[in-house]
Amino acid sequence: QVQLVESGGGVVQPGGSLRLPCAASGFTFSSYGMHWVRQAPGKGLEWVAFIRYDGSNKNYADSVKGRFTISRDNSKNTLYLHMNSLRPEDTAVYYCAKDSGWNPGGSFDIWGRGTMVTVSS
Amino acid sequence: QSALTQPRSVSGSPGQSVTISCTGTSSDFGGYNYVSWYQQHPGKAPKLMIYDVNKRPSGVPDRFSGSKSGNTASLTISGLQAEDDADYYCCSYAGSYIWVFGGGTELTVL
Repeated sequence: QVQLVESGGGVVQPGGSLRLPCAASGFTFSSYGMHWVRQAPGKGLEWVAFIRYDGSNKNYADSVKGRFTISRDNSKNTLYLHMNSLRPEDTAVYYCAKDSGWNPGGSFDIWGRGTMVTVSS
Repeated sequence: QSALTQPRSVSGSPGQSVTISCTGTSSDFGGYNYVSWYQQHPGKAPKLMIYDVNKRPSGVPDRFSGSKSGNTASLTISGLQAEDDADYYCCSYAGSYIWVFGGGTELTVL
């Protein structure tokens, strides 16, 4: 079945780094764009980053630009989020989501369960 | 990249209809009709309910419908059921591989 499984979350000090993998299965990973979306405790959803199916284009929310990097390894069916210079306001559940691919401004049709990142000293 | 504006909460009784609005600027919507809506129950991942303003993915009841007029998109849920009690988020493609979510609306089924 179609599935996304995030991992790599945990507690990290301000200024620290973390890498979140997202393992995909049940669909042709290399054919779809992918997203990271986060949700701070008790808050709403915030789109974080997107990468095209072949990695040729990426973009980021202003709040993480220059600190986070999205990447993918299509040979391993895995999406990544590399997070540097972490701040307390980056504390959130991080979801990976599959782009529907139905149009250039695709929606998020499959979501993982999320992984919690806590930035605290 | 500011969030789209949604009411914080709405409520309705079983069987009634409710509408949740989602307002932005022309740049938020990017001149596209790529608005989607997500349902999220507590502690769960979001679920796609509407895409491309008014299309329903397979498996989503036809009680859920979407529309857009100018810079305001709307989600209407008719024949409210207890399981519709959840948070709802709108999202729009703003162009240049950027997406923006609304702040979310808590729907209470009385």
